[in-house]
Amino acid sequence: GENVEQHPSTLSVQEGDSAVIKCTYSDSASNYFPWYKQELGKRPQLIIDIRSNVGEKKDQRIAVTLNKTAKHFSLHITETQPEDSAVYFCAAREGGKLIFGQGTELSVKP
Amino acid sequence: DAMVIQNPRYQVTQFGKPVTLSCSQTLNHNVMYWYQQKSSQAPKLLFHYYDKDFNNEADTPDNFQSRRPNTSFCFLDIRSPGLGDAAMYLCATSGPGASSYNEQFFGPGTRLTVL
Repeated sequence: GENVEQHPSTLSVQEGDSAVIKCTYSDSASNYFPWYKQELGKRPQLIIDIRSNVGEKKDQRIAVTLNKTAKHFSLHITETQPEDSAVYFCAAREGGKLIFGQGTELSVKP
Repeated sequence: DAMVIQNPRYQVTQFGKPVTLSCSQTLNHNVMYWYQQKSSQAPKLLFHYYDKDFNNEADTPDNFQSRRPNTSFCFLDIRSPGLGDAAMYLCATSGPGASSYNEQFFGPGTRLTVL
């Protein structure tokens, strides 16, 4: 079955800097890769996703890149703000299920 | 607004006392999921329904059961909660079909405490 590895587990950046979180997956048949942001005590919320026929997708300060050959995808957040502080989860779709990475706790220091 | 609703938001139960968590959705999605999330960990899928077809994860303990009486509602039953079952339980939905590209919409979760 699918296995998703996510790094780093914690990331601390200064406000205004960029943050990059990386994930690798094992099943080459996976074709949908969402990123969720979860604030403390709240539900995971989709922030961006990418499908296997696309290499990059941007939405304002957030971008995701996908390398199908290497089976890895990354989340890029530019001009980070304190409100970006949260836990971020990557995931890969396997059949009707999402397989989540272990999560990255992002801390943006003012 | 279309949404995923979970009740209660906080549930306290005693060790071994059965508890039921509920999830309802107004999105008319045909797929519903139950996840267990412990502190600082990723959501762990317990089971999901594709319409009325029940799909159990291989490592979901028998202590956890689920019912989906109709499209809108899904229940998680914990028959004999142990201290290790204390967690956030998240319900999610997706549609129109699990084989296509669908976002999963999460409910706010039920935080279960076992005394």
